[in-house]
Amino acid sequence: KAGVTQTPRYLIKTRGQQVTLSCSPISGHRSVSWYQQTPGQGLQFLFEYFSETQRNKGNFPGRFSGRQFSNSRSEMNVSTLELGDSALYLCASSLEGTTPYYEQYFGPGTRLTVT
Amino acid sequence: GQNIDQPTEMTATEGAIVQINCTYQTSGFNGLFWYQQHAGEAPTFLSYNVLDGLEEKGRFSSFLSRSKGYSYLLLKELQMKDSASYLCAPSSNDYKLSFGAGTTVTVRA
Repeated sequence: KAGVTQTPRYLIKTRGQQVTLSCSPISGHRSVSWYQQTPGQGLQFLFEYFSETQRNKGNFPGRFSGRQFSNSRSEMNVSTLELGDSALYLCASSLEGTTPYYEQYFGPGTRLTVT
Repeated sequence: GQNIDQPTEMTATEGAIVQINCTYQTSGFNGLFWYQQHAGEAPTFLSYNVLDGLEEKGRFSSFLSRSKGYSYLLLKELQMKDSASYLCAPSSNDYKLSFGAGTTVTVRA
């Protein structure tokens, strides 16, 4: 079974631009979560989607948004990029969600650099 | 809210045992995951505890005390490939997984 895939793997953008990242979950997984990972803050939860509905979101500004399609694929968008948005963005999928027994499988991540 | 505390770094010798402690304060807590992350790679699942007690899986074991908000990951017979960051991640019933900052374990020969 193929793992979680994320595209693109690397991205360089300039301040003020916007970016869209894509995540394809493992076949049959309906929950997709997004995380931002930086050296200073560690892994921080962005949002979680299940059956095209956002069930929870973390403490990020409204510039960060996402959506999920009927085939469970998900995208996240960051508008008006700032230097501090430079990070590794990880997507994880699971069968139903994070509870109670469903482990998350992570994709390789998208490394975003904002200059 | 979430408050997760684990040591930043630990160093041990090949073949030794290391215990990584994690304390947490999580609203709506329902279980705790441990993930391993090698440098430059994505996290991979190690263990999940929902009930109090010890779960053993090969060289790795994980313990949970829900009343104390405490967990530990025990790595036995350390190997060089165990050098990685270990992430404590309590889950809550609002579909959210929160991660600690991670403990970087360095295994020396």
